[in-house]
Amino acid sequence: QQPVQSPQAVILREGEDAVINCSSSKALYSVHWYRQKHGEAPVFLMILLKGGEQKGHEKISASFNEKKQQSSLYLTASQLSYSGTYFCGTDNQAGTALIFGKGTTLSVSS
Amino acid sequence: EAQVTQNPRYLITVTGKKLTVTCSQNMNHEYMSWYRQDPGLGLRQIYYSMNVEVTDKGDVPEGYKVSRKEKRNFPLILESPSPNQTSLYFCASSLINRESTQYFGPGTRLTVL
Repeated sequence: QQPVQSPQAVILREGEDAVINCSSSKALYSVHWYRQKHGEAPVFLMILLKGGEQKGHEKISASFNEKKQQSSLYLTASQLSYSGTYFCGTDNQAGTALIFGKGTTLSVSS
Repeated sequence: EAQVTQNPRYLITVTGKKLTVTCSQNMNHEYMSWYRQDPGLGLRQIYYSMNVEVTDKGDVPEGYKVSRKEKRNFPLILESPSPNQTSLYFCASSLINRESTQYFGPGTRLTVL
């Protein structure tokens, strides 16, 4: 049931773009995205809901393709502060728990 | 300040010595959850609770217990810790619906020798 994230790791220079993908083998109601800095707790980025409504903030966007059971996180003009591990989370079938992928590590250098 | 707190932040213990990691939230959230994080495996859910006295197993519940006697607290209990429970543990809380943000505590790094 764990969603699959790709790629596992991305290395960028400041100003470059990146896309992180998250796919599930089951129908999704929502996809959550979190970022974790080294040694810190995960922090909420955004939620994408079935039907297209997106709730979140920061200058990072995402898409949610319900038919393909996929979501993608778009980081444009990356900054040093974007470095960290990005996790997508999908709800379980009962809607009672959030199941996270294994994460994608993003490294941005100057 | 709205937050989730965990104690202790760091703990080194020995095999078989019972321990409890506390978790408390001040946001009046119904839903609370425990995760463990291991390199390359992401965040795996141990137990969750949808309200007081309502708890359920996550993906990796073996060797752990939880209780939810009060809405704000959700302690994680290791009755007989083993070295394979060495990990980084996070508590999280949220409102009860699927559209809710999860707020994570700062984490507890546990080492079992």
